[in-house]
Amino acid sequence: DSGVTQTPKHLITATGQRVTLRCSPRSGDLSVYWYQQSLDQGLQFLIQYYNGEERAKGNILERFSAQQFPDLHSELNLSSLELGDSALYFCASSGPGAVLTDTQYFGPGTRLTVL
Amino acid sequence: AQKITQTQPGMFVQEKEAVTLDCTYDTSDQSYGLFWYKQPSSGEMIFLIYQGSYDEQNATEGRYSLNFQKARKSANLVISASQLGDSAMYFCAMRDSGYSTLTFGKGTMLLVSP
Repeated sequence: DSGVTQTPKHLITATGQRVTLRCSPRSGDLSVYWYQQSLDQGLQFLIQYYNGEERAKGNILERFSAQQFPDLHSELNLSSLELGDSALYFCASSGPGAVLTDTQYFGPGTRLTVL
Repeated sequence: AQKITQTQPGMFVQEKEAVTLDCTYDTSDQSYGLFWYKQPSSGEMIFLIYQGSYDEQNATEGRYSLNFQKARKSANLVISASQLGDSAMYFCAMRDSGYSTLTFGKGTMLLVSP
């Protein structure tokens, strides 16, 4: 158990809908990262938050947004869902992320299926 | 730009044997970190081992060790005495000093047979 929690574990929804994925980082970790894992794209970094502020942005679509709350939990919002958004979404957490040795610990993931 | 290459889509090994999973990387930075993660069929990503570019010794964690060859830009994972529970996808990842995020390779599927 990495100490990172994600809910829900599975999510099935229809095209055009909006969903929210939730992540709680390990105790003491200030950085939260979101990744998308799909068969064709592999593991892709989406976005990072550090202590409530956006720190880095990767291949995140405009239909997707995220935030980190004062209690450090984070939510990833996916809207106008398309079939191609079906994937495993991971949240990871680490220390400040400014040190190379900061290891990212991953949550169990949320498997999103868009029908 | 950072790049991680894992050239072995799949590897087979017998129980109790050692196996090496290849990873090469590309970065123009002198300061970087290399990570290996394991993803079993259940889906979670499990951190295995870390190697820093300035570390003089190869990293070891139990049955996992990292064969780090800086000049060749390779960071191969060695699993000694394979167990059935080692069957999983293995990902190599890198972070360099310009980024706080990880860049992952495409992974290698390891199957351990009895």
